[in-house]
Amino acid sequence: NAGVTQTPKFRILKIGQSMTLQCAQDMNHNYMYWYRQDPGMGLKLIYYSVGAGITDKGEVPNGYNVSRSTTEDFPLRLELAAPSQTSVYFCASKAEGSTNEKLFFGSGTQLSVL
Amino acid sequence: AQSVTQPDIHITVSEGASLELRCNYSYGATPYLFWYVQSPGQGLQLLLKYFSGDTLVQGIKGFEAEFKRSQSSFNLRKPSVHWSDAAEYFCAVGASNQGGKLIFGQGTELSVKP
Repeated sequence: NAGVTQTPKFRILKIGQSMTLQCAQDMNHNYMYWYRQDPGMGLKLIYYSVGAGITDKGEVPNGYNVSRSTTEDFPLRLELAAPSQTSVYFCASKAEGSTNEKLFFGSGTQLSVL
Repeated sequence: AQSVTQPDIHITVSEGASLELRCNYSYGATPYLFWYVQSPGQGLQLLLKYFSGDTLVQGIKGFEAEFKRSQSSFNLRKPSVHWSDAAEYFCAVGASNQGGKLIFGQGTELSVKP
């Protein structure tokens, strides 16, 4: 059981380039999330999804886009990379139900924009 | 505004000593409270959670936390720290009607001296 898988683990982008961070989970979780982690700032929610075909903005969505065509996958797209998007990105998932509040995290993608 | 504050950015304790990590929150609704741990290069792992009932909750790896509504606190404790506990610890708050979205604190980095 792989859990939440993120690829790539590391990436360096030039300003203005675009890329997609991949996230897949094999636990049949309806809820999925993208967080970014900046030093001393904790984790900030970028986007989230409560099921296939449904996405919504989190706290810091500017400069990002997401899609959720399947239950398993929740890719995060950066269209025009900026230095402010240098961060560690974490994908997470959760089962449905108020008693299932545990988030399962991937191991992260470290992104540098130069 | 909803927020989580971890006043201590970095704490160093000796192996075998007791540990307390502080967490204060500001949240309008009845909160769900969590502690997550992040080892270097890894995603976050749930240590424990509080939803309701007994205000002293037990978690994995010998950790416990106490919810004090009057102080808006949810401090994490461990009676005897092991070298393997060195990691970053995050307090988080959410609610049953928030679709699993969590607000994270800034994190506390724990170092353990031999």
